[in-house]
Amino acid sequence: NAGVMQNPRHLVRRRGQEARLRCSPMKGHSHVYWYRQLPEEGLKFMVYLQKENIIDESGMPKERFSAEFPKEGPSILRIQQVVRGDSAAYFCASSPTTAPSQETQYFGPGTRLLVL
Amino acid sequence: QQQVKQSPQSLIVQKGGISIINCAYENTAFDYFPWYQQFPGKGPALLIAIRPDVSEKKEGRFTISFNKSAKQFSLHIMDSQPGDSATYFCAASRGGGYQKVTFGIGTKLQVIP
Repeated sequence: NAGVMQNPRHLVRRRGQEARLRCSPMKGHSHVYWYRQLPEEGLKFMVYLQKENIIDESGMPKERFSAEFPKEGPSILRIQQVVRGDSAAYFCASSPTTAPSQETQYFGPGTRLLVL
Repeated sequence: QQQVKQSPQSLIVQKGGISIINCAYENTAFDYFPWYQQFPGKGPALLIAIRPDVSEKKEGRFTISFNKSAKQFSLHIMDSQPGDSATYFCAASRGGGYQKVTFGIGTKLQVIP
């Protein structure tokens, strides 16, 4: 059973460009979470999605950031017009559909974004 | 607002020693307290977790101690090994349909031979 997959693993963008980060949850998981980890800091919650629905985006910046989890295909975190402060590791996690196993989140290897 | 405070931020322990990492939380609605282990270049992996209805949970060399009245919990790694060298994050979340996990800042553990 493959784990959570994220690609690309490393992404370099120049200021003003767009960054697209992809996450494929574990098989059978329909809950996806995105976290951001700044250097030497813990992970910060950004957004929680279920298939075709954004459930909680309270941790996501209001501008330039968006997320989706379509019926088919991976979840996408999109950052428009990137700035240097967006440089971070972005982690995706997934969890199973039914409680209480919902409480275990399985993390992907992350995408390290560097904005030049 | 840092809802989960973790200390120390770095820790050096000799092989065979006990590693202790402490965390404190503020939100009394939290009801699930996992610990994650992260190796360089990897994502966090669940190590062990506890609910506030128990005061201690042990899995192999890893033990969580939980003090509900003090709103504190800690991770003890017995017989620490060089392979335990990693960053450890305490975390907290509350139920109600999904888990929005709040992480501590992390502790970088180095176990020296």
